[in-house]
Amino acid sequence: KNQVEQSPQSLIILEGKNCTLQCNYTVSPFSNLRWYKQDTGRGPVSLTIMTFSENTKSNGRYTATLDADTKQSSLHITASQLSDSASYICVVSSTGNQFYFGTGTSLTVIP
Amino acid sequence: DAGVTQSPTHLIKTRGQQVTLRCSPKSGHDTVSWYQQALGQGPQFIFQYYEEEERQRGNFPDRFSGHQFPNYSSELNVNALLLGDSALYLCASSLTLGQLHYGYTFGSGTRLTVV
Repeated sequence: KNQVEQSPQSLIILEGKNCTLQCNYTVSPFSNLRWYKQDTGRGPVSLTIMTFSENTKSNGRYTATLDADTKQSSLHITASQLSDSASYICVVSSTGNQFYFGTGTSLTVIP
Repeated sequence: DAGVTQSPTHLIKTRGQQVTLRCSPKSGHDTVSWYQQALGQGPQFIFQYYEEEERQRGNFPDRFSGHQFPNYSSELNVNALLLGDSALYLCASSLTLGQLHYGYTFGSGTRLTVV
C-alpha cells in the first residue's frame, strides 16, 4: 500500500534553533518528493522538489534530503524564525501520476 | 503573473444545500486537481480535470462533481451538504506533459463550513 508517514506529528522549538522533520514513504514506483509549507487556513506552498537522482536540495534556510534506497526524506530548517511556524507536508508522487500526502508535522517556533 | 486563484475564500452553508467552488489555474497550466483537507489532516484527493474531462478520482461520493472550462478554470460542486463536508478545499494546478505534472501549485483554498 502506498503511504507517506511523517514524524514528529508536532514540534516546538525556540527561535534561532535548528530542527529536522522526517518523511518515510512506501510509494512505488517513485517519481518525485515534494516538501510543502502550509500556514494555518492557507494553501500549501512548495519548498523543494526532488527526483530519484537528487540527494539534497536547498531553498534558503530549508534543506531537504532524499535517500531513495531507504525511502526516507528529511527537511532541515536552520536558524528558525517565528514565521516558520506552520505545518510541513511531505508529498510523494508516483510515475502513475498519483500524489500521496503525509499528514504533516506541525511546527511551532517560540521566542 | 497570478498564481492559483480560488473563490470564495470562506463560505457558510446549511446541511442539504449545494455549493460551488471555483478555481483559476496558474497561467500556462492546463490541469486542475481538487483536494479536501479536514482540520489537522493532510489533503485528500477528490478528482483531477484535464482537457475538460475528469481524469482521476479519489474515494469521494457522487455528491462531489466538477467541471473544467475551455480556459482551464474549474468548478467543484457538492450536493446535499453534510456536516462532515466542512473543510478547507484546495485547488492545485499544473501543466501536464505525458505522464508528468510540472509546476504543481496550490491555491489558498476555500474554507467551507456546513451548519
